[in-house]
Amino acid sequence: GDSVTQMEGPVTLSEEAFLTINCTYTATGYPSLFWYVQYPGEGLQLLLKATKADDKGSNKGFEATYRKETTSFHLEKGSVQVSDSAVYFCALISNSGGSNYKLTFGKGTLLTVNP
Amino acid sequence: ETGVTQTPRHLVMGMTNKKSLKCEQHLGHNAMYWYKQSAKKPLELMFVYNFKEQTENNSVPSRFSPECPNSSHLFLHLHTLQPEDSALYLCASSPGQGVSYEQYFGPGTRLTVT
Repeated sequence: GDSVTQMEGPVTLSEEAFLTINCTYTATGYPSLFWYVQYPGEGLQLLLKATKADDKGSNKGFEATYRKETTSFHLEKGSVQVSDSAVYFCALISNSGGSNYKLTFGKGTLLTVNP
Repeated sequence: ETGVTQTPRHLVMGMTNKKSLKCEQHLGHNAMYWYKQSAKKPLELMFVYNFKEQTENNSVPSRFSPECPNSSHLFLHLHTLQPEDSALYLCASSPGQGVSYEQYFGPGTRLTVT
């Protein structure tokens, strides 16, 4: 079945540091890939997405590129802020296994940014 | 502001109580979902509705009973829950079911079973 593996946290950075959160996936067919963010006490918000190979999703300074050859979708940001502190989830939807398109999530990575 | 609202935001209930969680989406979407988020576990899909019809029940115990009266509203009826059911319950919606349809989430209901 489909699966998403993302780096274990927590990740602690200083403000203005470079961020990378690794995400790899296993899926049959041609999945779409997503990054969601969950701020403390809130639900999940879509951060960015990519629907085909070599697509780059971007939003709020975050970027991720759909790499089919390495089955990866790593999240990056050049300069993090304290307000970026949250849990980040990598996820995919594929058309494998029939007509139900399930969103499969990784376990989440807690990011803490210190001033 | 996500366009998906959930009430109540917090709920404490005893194991013999009956309560309901409500979700409403204002996005004109056709598919709605219930997820369970427990500490240290990946999000678990519970139920999926598409055009008011249930299309997925992910082996959820019968003490959780969903209801989808129309494409904008989704309920989760709870009865005789167990302490291990304490979690954040998230509702989501999407335009339809397809590979490129992202899901939009509500803020969740934090449920504590005592």
